[in-house]
Amino acid sequence: GAGVSQSPSNKVTEKGKDVELRCDPISGHTALYWYRQSLGQGLEFLIYFQGNSAPDKSGLPSDRFSAERTGGSVSTLTIQRTQQEDSAVYLCASTHGRGSYGYTFGSGTRLTVV
Amino acid sequence: AQTVTQSQPEMSVQEAETVTLSCTYDTSESNYYLFWYKQPPSRQMILVIRQEAYKQQNATENRFSVNFQKAAKSFSLKISDSQLGDTAMYFCAFMIPPNQGAQKLVFGQGTRLTINP
Repeated sequence: GAGVSQSPSNKVTEKGKDVELRCDPISGHTALYWYRQSLGQGLEFLIYFQGNSAPDKSGLPSDRFSAERTGGSVSTLTIQRTQQEDSAVYLCASTHGRGSYGYTFGSGTRLTVV
Repeated sequence: AQTVTQSQPEMSVQEAETVTLSCTYDTSESNYYLFWYKQPPSRQMILVIRQEAYKQQNATENRFSVNFQKAAKSFSLKISDSQLGDTAMYFCAFMIPPNQGAQKLVFGQGTRLTINP
């Protein structure tokens, strides 16, 4: 597609429920990143996918968070047993190479856990 | 650990004025990249400008330019002839490129810029 597409745009969920956030990167971009933007912590790296290589999961805050990227394209970030502190904007970005020319971000998913 | 500091939480100027946003960073590395991203209410982070640390020449993109002072670890963004559409959060970001693996961005806390008519 022309840009990075994320869905849903907004998600309200009850504490304890599981949620799935979707990212559709720019066609041909091999690298995909997830970042979290929250009031208290600012923007934080979560996970990185590059082609068929094993993902860099070093930024995932707990084992309730997981992500996958199917066929080197669409990625899904899953949060299990959501907590109120998971409320944030989840931003996806894709890029050629690994990112030193800057990423192209999507518009994010605003997750609210009530 | 690398850190990025934006000391101005909010700024406000009149349309057509020039405004400068400050950013300092801390690293012991010599090879890195610096970025300014803009985040309007649509939430999409938009790349404004990029600077390579080994280039002494300051980057420019139309009305946007930077003042990169490597020794002082300073990377300010100047917006000339500001427009209403420049109203947004501006984030300074820093990247150290490892030999392999993720090229992660470290972001500052942001400056909320308002352009008044």
